[in-house]
Amino acid sequence: SQQGEEDPQALSIQEGENATMNCSYKTSINNLQWYRQNSGRGLVHLILIRSNEREKHSGRLRVTLDTSKKSSSLLITASRAADTASYFCATDGTPLNNDMRFGAGTRLTVKP
Amino acid sequence: EPEVTQTPSHQVTQMGQEVILRCVPISNHLYFYWYRQILGQKVEFLVSFYNNEISEKSEIFDDQFSVERPDGSNFTLKIRSTKLEDSAMYFCASREGLVYLNTEAFFGQGTRLTVV
Repeated sequence: SQQGEEDPQALSIQEGENATMNCSYKTSINNLQWYRQNSGRGLVHLILIRSNEREKHSGRLRVTLDTSKKSSSLLITASRAADTASYFCATDGTPLNNDMRFGAGTRLTVKP
Repeated sequence: EPEVTQTPSHQVTQMGQEVILRCVPISNHLYFYWYRQILGQKVEFLVSFYNNEISEKSEIFDDQFSVERPDGSNFTLKIRSTKLEDSAMYFCASREGLVYLNTEAFFGQGTRLTVV
């Protein structure tokens, strides 16, 4: 399975600090995506990084991908209380595998 | 903005009953998915669907589960004989293009299934 595994499982920071979450996966991937989930709600897509990309930015989000280490990180800069949520990475395998799989997620709490 | 819609938002059913969870994917999307999330746990892949057939399924998706696209808009997940452990949030997702074109998946808000 190519599913990602995030760490840490839980992260608690103060508003204004940066939050870094990591994701590791096992097999070759086509791309890696990060999603956010507020408690009991649906998953919201944040950013997709292709296997031939190393870094991608979107607003306060920065995602890196290291395919040699089979890992990715999501950095949220200048965090806000509204960033409190669970964050998941999801991996797409090769084109033959249409089974986007999620890791266990990191629960981020940003204290005001 | 187009969105994936799921109905009902919450369904309570007796153990052993059949349930059908409904999803309306985004209209020009080609790939459809069902996931489930047991409370407080990870999001688990159930099945993907393309061109009117299942393209991948997980070990969870056994003979009790089936999916269907009965018309041009709906995508349904049926659980034939529900068990207590089927209680979970079920998410539908769709994406526009082929997997290797690297398109994002859009998720519905989920159906909370409670089996009693």
